[in-house]
Amino acid sequence: GQSLEQPSEVTAVEGAIVQINCTYQTSGFYGLSWYQQHDGGAPTFLSYNGLDGLEETGRFSSFLSRSDSYGYLLLQELQMKDSASYFCALTSGTGRRALTFGSGTRLQVQP
Amino acid sequence: EAQVTQNPRYLITVTGKKLTVTCSQNMNHEYMSWYRQDPGLGLRQIYYSMNVEVTDKGDVPEGYKVSRKEKRNFPLILESPSPNQTSLYFCASTAGRDNSPLHFGNGTRLTVT
Repeated sequence: GQSLEQPSEVTAVEGAIVQINCTYQTSGFYGLSWYQQHDGGAPTFLSYNGLDGLEETGRFSSFLSRSDSYGYLLLQELQMKDSASYFCALTSGTGRRALTFGSGTRLQVQP
Repeated sequence: EAQVTQNPRYLITVTGKKLTVTCSQNMNHEYMSWYRQDPGLGLRQIYYSMNVEVTDKGDVPEGYKVSRKEKRNFPLILESPSPNQTSLYFCASTAGRDNSPLHFGNGTRLTVT
């Protein structure tokens, strides 16, 4: 089976940097994705790591280390609108499309 | 506009009364899937489909059925709903590449009494 662990809550102040960690257990792993979900909304895609290393997309970066079964999402220059839940997700399994999500990290950005 | 459309947004029903939640995408995606979201449990995959007439179980398939007769549609069927299926449901689709994002519908909040 597969499992992912991430912190349930993180609090940070506007303008700061925050890192949300994700550790996982799996076989047949193909990639790690990150999704953002605002209250009452649908999850939206943020980033994907298919290889070890850092991927940068604007204020967001994501990192993967397969040897450590670990990844993180880094959010810089935090804004109030970044308050949301963030999910890491494993792409694995048949056809590489079976996705397993972590239970989510609720980020609260304070002024 | 590229989108995944789910209907209905809200549904209240009684135990045992069959229901269908529809899902349609206009992006010509081959892959579609259904998730349920419960507090503290994140998103759990119910079923997924790699293409027309190709479906497979996810992590929590019990009590659900799906069909994929056309590429754009992937309905979720609850033959005999029970209260433990009260949840928020999301349909999603994606193209076939490894780094392709999942596009989610707006969700269906189902309450079974």
